[in-house]
Amino acid sequence: QVQLQESGPGLVKPSQTLSLTCTVSGGSIRGGGYYWSWIRQPAGKGLEWIGRIYISGSTNYNPSLGSRVTISLDTSKNQFSLRLTSVTAADTAVYYCARVSGSGSGYDYWGPGALVTVSS
Amino acid sequence: QSALTQPASVSGSPGQSITISCTGTSSDVGTYNLVSWYQQHPDKAPKLMIYEASKRPSGVSDRFSGSKSGNTASLTISGLQAEDEADYYCCSYAGGSTLWVFGGGTKLTVL
Repeated sequence: QVQLQESGPGLVKPSQTLSLTCTVSGGSIRGGGYYWSWIRQPAGKGLEWIGRIYISGSTNYNPSLGSRVTISLDTSKNQFSLRLTSVTAADTAVYYCARVSGSGSGYDYWGPGALVTVSS
Repeated sequence: QSALTQPASVSGSPGQSITISCTGTSSDVGTYNLVSWYQQHPDKAPKLMIYEASKRPSGVSDRFSGSKSGNTASLTISGLQAEDEADYYCCSYAGGSTLWVFGGGTKLTVL
């Protein structure tokens, strides 16, 4: 059974960088066939796709986040990470890491979510 | 504003059936069969209920079904149960630059 778990600071100051890590257990990121993704949800609002990474290192990002977002892999630790720079209060949200198959057959595994608050 | 349009709320009594619509465009729902539906209970992560518009993952009740016609996808829940009360989100592959788009979510109330 694949499990995902987000970790990282729950409070980030405005203009600083948000960093989160997703640790995958029960399966190897190296296995291929899946995209490892980040999705966020502001309180009381809907889901927003942030971006994804493949085992090859290929990435895709939501253009609404511009150049502020970077997703990376650490296969030695079976982890992938999110960096979001120059954060504002609008970036306050629950951040989820999730897995989607290469064929696009839905996000089948999700982490429990990590609340990140941007505040001074 | 979300890329996909869902009704804000729907309701039904136990045992009844309800349908939640998800309207996109010819650039997402209308072109790709990669529509998925998620159930989210309060303070929980979303759970995949339907993928590829009409397929159910193993372990999901057959009371949940999905369909798609043109630019609109639909989720139907039959034999409503109290445990079905949750938020439901649709999601579609969109290609282009924003690869995946979500609906704004629909709150299902079981009366």
